[in-house]
Amino acid sequence: DAKTTQPPSMDCAEGRAANLPCNHSTISGNEYVYWYRQIHSQGPQYIIHGLKNNETNEMASLIITEDRKSSTLILPHATLRDTAVYYCIVRPANSGYALNFGKGTSLLVTP
Amino acid sequence: EAGVVQSPRYKIIEKKQPVAFWCNPISGHNTLYWYRQNLGQGPELLIRYENEEAVDDSQLPKDRFSAERLKGVDSTLKIQPAELGDSAVYLCASSMSGPGTGELFFGEGSRLTVL
Repeated sequence: DAKTTQPPSMDCAEGRAANLPCNHSTISGNEYVYWYRQIHSQGPQYIIHGLKNNETNEMASLIITEDRKSSTLILPHATLRDTAVYYCIVRPANSGYALNFGKGTSLLVTP
Repeated sequence: EAGVVQSPRYKIIEKKQPVAFWCNPISGHNTLYWYRQNLGQGPELLIRYENEEAVDDSQLPKDRFSAERLKGVDSTLKIQPAELGDSAVYLCASSMSGPGTGELFFGEGSRLTVL
């Protein structure tokens, strides 16, 4: 699986957009970009995933660059409950491949 | 619908004692994963099942760890004997099988403290 690089920590003011970057310069053509988050003392939670097109759901938006070497997860209006560790993972969309988590980005949303 | 259920939520044991964790996946999910998460780190895969078959156990320390998934539903992860370095959160996850099934559903985890 391709490796990802994320900043270890970020801050965001409540109500503002949180933009979490991820570098995955060695991504393969069949690998999707997945984002999960882990709130303290809970298991990781799926947020969104995409292949090459931008994606949006009720939780977030995912922007993938045209060359697919990087992506950005956008939380449009961050709340205190969005404080968590965010993991960017690349892998084929098939149950035959487990998720390989890195250390992620610890996002702190402040009042 | 119930999510992935794990028990116990917390366990404190002395080193060299055995311990077991139980996981009940989401109904209909054929793929089951066990992960270990050390403090400040991301989860690391220990073993992955497709139904009853362990298809990836390359990261499972087989000298002291064992797992089973009888009948392809519930699963147990056992450590015997436990060592101080086994203190971690043990996470179970499940997913549907086949292409296009990238979403894993995680339980809340079992936090193990070895004294």
